[in-house]
Amino acid sequence: GESVGLHLPTLSVQEGDNSIINCAYSNSASDYFIWYKQESGKGPQFIIDIRSNMDKRQGQRVTVLLNKTVKHLSLQIAATQPGDSAVYFCAEKPTGSARQLTFGSGTQLTVLP
Amino acid sequence: NAGVTQTPKFQVLKTGQSMTLQCAQDMNHNSMYWYRQDPGMGLRLIYYSASEGTTDKGEVPNGYNVSRLNKREFSLRLESAAPSQTSVYFCASRITTGDNSPLHFGNGTRLTVT
Repeated sequence: GESVGLHLPTLSVQEGDNSIINCAYSNSASDYFIWYKQESGKGPQFIIDIRSNMDKRQGQRVTVLLNKTVKHLSLQIAATQPGDSAVYFCAEKPTGSARQLTFGSGTQLTVLP
Repeated sequence: NAGVTQTPKFQVLKTGQSMTLQCAQDMNHNSMYWYRQDPGMGLRLIYYSASEGTTDKGEVPNGYNVSRLNKREFSLRLESAAPSQTSVYFCASRITTGDNSPLHFGNGTRLTVT
C-alpha cells in the first residue's frame, strides 16, 4: 500500500546550524508534496509545497528538494532558530484525484542553544 | 483574519456520551476536512466535504458523522463516544479538493473519552 514516512522521528540541531528533515513516499503517482510545521498545542501550519515538475523550491530560509527517482523529499532549514523547534510533517497526493493528502508521522526538531 | 476556528478547545466525555465538534472558516474555501491526530500516527482523514452539500468518508470514518451546514461551517459528531476516540481533532479547509493547494488548519479540539 502507499505510505508516507520519515527517516527519523527526532532531530536535534545547534542554533545557527542548518537542519535537514527527510521524507520518503511510495506512491509513484504522487505529484504534489507539502511540508507542515506543528508547534505544541497548535494546528499544522503550511511551510512550503512543491509539484512534481520541479525538483527544488525555495522559501524564506527553507528549501524543499524532490527526488522522484528514489521517491524522496527533504526540507532544509537554514540557520535554524529556537522558533523552528516543532514537529514537521510531509504530505503527498496525486493531482486531480479524489484521494486526499496522506500525511507522514512527523519529525520532532529540537534546536539546542 | 481568523482562518479556521474550532470549538471547543478541550472536552472530556464519558463512554457513550455524544457531542458535536464545531468548525468554521472565513476564507471562502469550498472544501473542508476533519482529521484526527494520535501519537506517532500523523494525521488521518475522518471525513471531508468537497463543496457545500457534499460529504465523503476518509480513512477512518467509523463512529463519526459530519454535517456541512453551509459553506463556512463543517461539524463532526460523535454519537456514542468510545475511549478509542480519545484524540486531537483538527478541522481544515482549502480552496477546492481536486487542485494542489495547501490545507489550512484550526488549532484543534483535544478530546478525552473515559
